[in-house]
Amino acid sequence: DIQMTQSPSSLSASVGDRVTITCRASQSISSYLNWYQQKPGKAPKLLIYAASSLQSGVPSRFSGSGSGTDFTLTISSLQPEDFATYYCQQSYSTPNSFGQGTKLEIK
Amino acid sequence: QVTLKESGPVLVKPTETLTLTCTVSGFSLSNARMGVSWIRQPPGKALEWLAHIFSNDEKSYSTSLKSRLTISKDTSKSQVVLTMTNMDPVDTATYYCARILSSGWSGYNWFDPWGQGTLVTVSS
Repeated sequence: DIQMTQSPSSLSASVGDRVTITCRASQSISSYLNWYQQKPGKAPKLLIYAASSLQSGVPSRFSGSGSGTDFTLTISSLQPEDFATYYCQQSYSTPNSFGQGTKLEIK
Repeated sequence: QVTLKESGPVLVKPTETLTLTCTVSGFSLSNARMGVSWIRQPPGKALEWLAHIFSNDEKSYSTSLKSRLTISKDTSKSQVVLTMTNMDPVDTATYYCARILSSGWSGYNWFDPWGQGTLVTVSS
């Protein structure tokens, strides 16, 4: 099974900051990597698929990059509504797997 | 508008079998390049993928839970059912179903949208 590791586990930042979250796969997954945002008490929401494709309706301040084993999610200028938990997920092989999450908090 | 809604018991006893139903609307379970996954999240913890089923009836399961899980679909009812046997308190979690979208030849797929989730508590 492929293990996904996110860093950091938590992050404090301010509105307007540029933030980067990293996701590492235990083996190469090409670009089969998705990113989700989850707010408290809500279901996850798709942000990025296939490592770098922005889901329709998602603000352009979100971007994804990477391939192979190392991936990043970048928020170019944090907005108040971006404070949430972010998960990466590999779809290269089954069983699919998620990272442990990165909680983005207000500084 | 595509929606998914989970239903099932809110409370189950240890050793019992859990049966959850995901009712979908806005798309057909016979649609090629689409499927449904079940994912769970214990309180305060990370997401855990459980199983999926595609339109061609291809199924896959979590390695650690494979012996306890069964996924099936009823296309005419637009429902996907997940059963989990021998429930334990550690299985207490919010259970989500999500549509799988596949990009076709490249094989990329992702979960969108998700249902609202249903909290299942395992306790005697």
